This record gives sequence, C-alpha cells and structure tokens, in this order.
Amino acid sequence: RKEVEQDPGPFNVPEGATVAFNCTYSNSASQSFFWYRQDCRKEPKLLMSVYSSGNEDGRFTAQLNRASQYISLLIRDSKLSDSATYLCVVNRNTGGFKTIFGAGTRLFVKA
Amino acid sequence: GAVVSQHPSWVICKSGTSVKIECRSLDFQATTMFWYRQFPKQSLMLMATSNEGSKATYEQGVEKDKFLINHASLTLSTLTVTSAHPEDSSFYICSARAARQGSQPQHFGDGTRLSIL
Repeated sequence: RKEVEQDPGPFNVPEGATVAFNCTYSNSASQSFFWYRQDCRKEPKLLMSVYSSGNEDGRFTAQLNRASQYISLLIRDSKLSDSATYLCVVNRNTGGFKTIFGAGTRLFVKA
Repeated sequence: GAVVSQHPSWVICKSGTSVKIECRSLDFQATTMFWYRQFPKQSLMLMATSNEGSKATYEQGVEKDKFLINHASLTLSTLTVTSAHPEDSSFYICSARAARQGSQPQHFGDGTRLSIL
C-alpha cells in the first residue's frame, strides 16, 4: 500500500460542474499537507496548503481530517483550464523531513 | 511567492555526453533541494535530496556516480547526468524548500526535458 493514495481517475466533467478529489495518507506522523497541480509536460505548481480548519481559495476548497487521515479538494464551477493532474502531497518528520507525493488524479473538463 | 529557476529547459545530445542541470532558488535560501525524474504518464520519482554543504542523499536504486549532485551554496544545486544514454531521457525537475522550514511546501523549477539520441 502506498503511503499517500489517490484515485487516479480520470475524472471527466462538463464545464461548470463541481468535482471532489480524495486522498488518504497512512503515516500518522504526517505534519503538513498540500495540493499541487501539474499540467501535461510541466512542473507541479502549488495550488494550496490544507488545514484542519479547512481553507478556501476562490473556487477551490481543501479540507483535512486528521482523525481519518484524509484530505480532500473540491473544485466548484469547473473551467476548461482546470484540466490537469492534481497531486496530494504530505510532509512528515520521521528521522528528518520527507515529502511524499501521491500519484495524482487526472481531471478533464470538457465544454 | 517563492521562485525556483531551472536551466536548461531542454537538452538534446548524443549518447555518452554528460549533461549538467542547474537549479536556483531566486528569492529565498534553500538548505535542501530535491531532484526528481518523471517519465511520461508516470508519477514524480524522487532521485536524491541535496543538502547544502554536504553530500546528497540518494534514493534506493539511483546511482550516485551516474547522477552527480553538488549543492555548493544556499541558492544553487546542480545535477550532472554523466555519460548519458537513451534510457536516461526523461523530464528532470528540481524543487527547493525554504531554509529550516521543513513543514513548508516545495517549490518546483520549470523542469529540464532531456533527450539522449
């Protein structure tokens, strides 16, 4: 079992749809959590950090549930430009900081 | 926001050539930089962690004599792919994290697309 697991998708949604991605992590020593987006043949870019209190940035809402070791990303009113791979990323500190990347969830938003 | 610059963005060269890739943190000090490789339609694979002023830590299966890493300053790390062969063709991406902020996110360079003929 991978330390950070995501549904690989792909998610195919129409413009304007709401889509939710889930991510689970197995190491309870995990400390900080992020969502990145990666476009085809490009580097990952930080989308947002994830906090237990939940945080929102425009159409994007991220949530962390430490008890269930579960992270989510909600995208409202999907745009064509949201098509990308979304990476769930976890930092933990066990014998030194380490960053664990999920394999990513692919999203296709269609007109 | 944090900016990481990677150079070159694209390299095409003959088999047997050594290729050097630079990664710079432009607006923050990075005691730790990371080197990743990504094959088409696959996940990022961490190759090594580059620590300023000390030897890099390589992941299992990554040849340290093949992929030479130097992190001579708080803003620059280099990856040299020695005697590159076609199977080394890949997308190489560096990232950096602000000094002593292990809980902070990594910021990625633009990546280097390496093609070995």
